[in-house]
Order: sequence, then structure tokens, then C-alpha cells
Amino acid sequence: AQSVTQLGSHVSVSEGALVLLRCNYSSSVPPYLFWYVQYPNQGLQLLLKYTSAATLVKGINGFEAEFKKSETSFHLTKPSAHMSDAAEYFCAVSGRGFKTIFGAGTRLFVKA
Amino acid sequence: DAMVIQNPRYQVTQFGKPVTLSCSQTLNHNVMYWYQQKSSQAPKLLFHYYDKDFNNEADTPDNFQSRRPNTSFCFLDIRSPGLGDAAMYLCATSSPQLVPDNEQFFGPGTRLTVL
Repeated sequence: AQSVTQLGSHVSVSEGALVLLRCNYSSSVPPYLFWYVQYPNQGLQLLLKYTSAATLVKGINGFEAEFKKSETSFHLTKPSAHMSDAAEYFCAVSGRGFKTIFGAGTRLFVKA
Repeated sequence: DAMVIQNPRYQVTQFGKPVTLSCSQTLNHNVMYWYQQKSSQAPKLLFHYYDKDFNNEADTPDNFQSRRPNTSFCFLDIRSPGLGDAAMYLCATSSPQLVPDNEQFFGPGTRLTVL
């Protein structure tokens, strides 16, 4: 069965610093992996996704993620944090029966 | 722009008073989902429709029902809301035939308050 684990329920960075949000997955088949962002009182918005075309995936708002099969990881990074990046981030994997399995989420705080 | 629309964005109801939340989509996706999301938690899938086929999650309370009268619309009915049903309700769509990774497209959500 597929699953995702997000390490760290809260991450705090200074504006301009590197953002690193960690996600590890478990899947018996080659996975489809996603990162979604959620701003307060909003729905989820897709940041990027891995579909096996390329291991380094670039997304919106300057985010990117690297698929590492050997480490079963799909960590999200951004070189320089902006105040507007403060939000909740969810890693997810496509599961059976058209379902998406979400991680518990990581709240990103950006300090001025 | 193609999108997923949820109405209302904020809904207040009284304990035990039935409430209906609405979702519509202009993406022409054949799968529609309803999620419940409580504060600082991941979305929890309640059920989904594949075309007209309804798929209920095993742990979804009987208090929650859904209707999909056509491709574009899907409704969430909460028959007797309890205080524990206060949450954000998210509607999402996907089209696995067109997009094999089954990327889901989310609406803005409806925040339900139960008094």
C-alpha cells in the first residue's frame, strides 16, 4: 500500500533562506508523487508532480523537488524563501482506486 | 478558466439542522471527490464518484451523503450535523483517463461552522 511521511509538522526559515520540506514515500509500484500548497481558508493548489519523466521536477513559485528512488524521497526545496511562501504544504502519492494519499502536512513559517 | 467552484465559501448551521454543500466544475472531469479537513490536518476522503458510480470510504459516517445529478455538479449532504463536523470541506476533480497520474484539482473549500 502506498503512503507518505512528512518529516516535521512545522518548519521555520528566515526570509531569503533555503526552504527544505521533507517527504518520504512507500510504494510497491513506481509512484506518482505530488506537492500541494494550501493557504489559509483556501483549497489545495498543485506545486509540482513527479510522473517518471524527470527526477528533478520544477514547479510554480520557484519550488522544485527531486525524486530519489534509492532514498524513497521526494523533498521540496526553494533556494530563497519569501514571506508569501508561508502556508501548509502536503506531499501526496497516487493510490489505488483513483485515490490520493496525503501526508500529514508541514506548516512553513517565514520570518522577516 | 476551467475550475472547481464551491458554494457557499462559509456556511453556518445549527446542531442537528441538515445542510448541503455544493460543488461544480467546468473541467469536464469524470471523477469528483469530497474531503473533510480539520484544523492542521490532512484532507480526509469521505467519498468519490467515478462518473455515476458512488464510492464510499469505509469510515465515512452515515450522516454524510452525496449526490451527483450530472457531470458538472456534486453535493454533500450532512443530515444531522454535530459539533464534530465543523471543518473545511473540499471538493476535487480528476480525469484519470486523460491524466494517468490522477492529479486532483481542488475547489476553494467551504468552511462549515456548527453552532
